[in-house]
Amino acid sequence: QQQVKQSPQSLIVQKGGISIINCAYENTAFDYFPWYQQFPGKGPALLIAIRPDVSEKKEGRFTISFNKSAKQFSLHIMDSQPGDSATYFCAANTINTGKLIFGQGTTLQVKP
Amino acid sequence: NAGVTQTPKFQVLKTGQSMTLQCAQDMNHNSMYWYRQDPGMGLRLIYYSASEGTTDKGEVPNGYNVSRLNKREFSLRLESAAPSQTSVYFCASSEGTGGWGEKLFFGSGTQLSVL
Repeated sequence: QQQVKQSPQSLIVQKGGISIINCAYENTAFDYFPWYQQFPGKGPALLIAIRPDVSEKKEGRFTISFNKSAKQFSLHIMDSQPGDSATYFCAANTINTGKLIFGQGTTLQVKP
Repeated sequence: NAGVTQTPKFQVLKTGQSMTLQCAQDMNHNSMYWYRQDPGMGLRLIYYSASEGTTDKGEVPNGYNVSRLNKREFSLRLESAAPSQTSVYFCASSEGTGGWGEKLFFGSGTQLSVL
């Protein structure tokens, strides 16, 4: 069973629009929630991450929103650009473990 | 800096054949990981190694074996390949001993097809 559920599977956004990707989890022991970005033919790379003691983290055009009570977190990409076209993965792990669990991935296409 | 290097980049096997995927990192990282990526399934952890000489099972370890040869190298072996093991395999490393909040650095992947 998938411990981290991600949606949507694919997303098409116009340039300048807002891209929103959602993730949900069941394991309340998860306490670190990163997002990874993957371009075709490349390995994933860390984009932004959040801890559960904050509700929002912003880095440039990328924002994570975190809702601990709902066990949900989301990635918002403001002013989406064609260069943001990639696959995005949410992930989660627990303290003192190396087991970073990924969601299913969202393929984002930003149209010019 | 090369970062995380995986070989080979592409491989085609017949059912029942064996092979070893090689991974090396030059960042002096302690932890290394093997993931597989399948459409609609995301990245799933096969095995990881928190330090030289230690390995631990991930989400999908069946059909695989690993060896942490030294601090730099972490290999993944398929003893008897099956079509269900057709996937893209990624090796990754992180600085610490696999604890909370570590940033993973990924290689560029090995595309494996089992016929």
